[in-house]
Amino acid sequence: DTAVSQTPKYLVTQMGNDKSIKCEQNLGHDTMYWYKQDSKKFLKIMFSYNNKELIINETVPNRFSPKSPDKAHLNLHINSLELGDSAVYFCASSQAGPGTEAFFGQGTRLTVV
Amino acid sequence: QQPVQSPQAVILREGEDAVINCSSSKALYSVHWYRQKHGEAPIFLMILLKGGEQKGHDKISASFNEKKQQSSLYLTASQLSYSGTYFCGTENTGGFKTIFGAGTRLFVKA
Repeated sequence: DTAVSQTPKYLVTQMGNDKSIKCEQNLGHDTMYWYKQDSKKFLKIMFSYNNKELIINETVPNRFSPKSPDKAHLNLHINSLELGDSAVYFCASSQAGPGTEAFFGQGTRLTVV
Repeated sequence: QQPVQSPQAVILREGEDAVINCSSSKALYSVHWYRQKHGEAPIFLMILLKGGEQKGHDKISASFNEKKQQSSLYLTASQLSYSGTYFCGTENTGGFKTIFGAGTRLFVKA
């Protein structure tokens, strides 16, 4: 059983389109995150949710809108995709936020053409 | 604020040792270490919470200095499977945000 699963694994789309990435965790964790990893491998936090509530929004363009329907799910919707949005997006979860290990999903490789 | 990792890259022969450093200008709540292999997700290695703490398993260990501003990851008698990019992640008090360093690419050759 996969602990943190993301879909899709690959996403190729044209500029201007809207797309969503889904994430689910079956670990019973309270906190979920979205990270973006660019071509230089920098891992940058985008959003952090705790018990379905947005805790951290790291000055991400408002074209990116996370949604957490329940504690086990954190989805990412992206409007009006741009070339610079091409990256690998990782979802992660941790048990209780600070000082706890994060479990990462396998990543979604988004390519905007 | 992003922690500073060094070195940026390391090439080792099997059996050699390596040290990867991670430093911050401010005292931290915790330091996390992760390893990421190409095309895969980062995998948790260990977390350090207390100043002066050292911990490890197998031949990979880490330390957190007394001031909680610097951590080092020690890889002893490296194996081919150790190859990958190592990230330190730091948290400040208040949490819910782990900020990762730029990563150290480690390549172990036979």
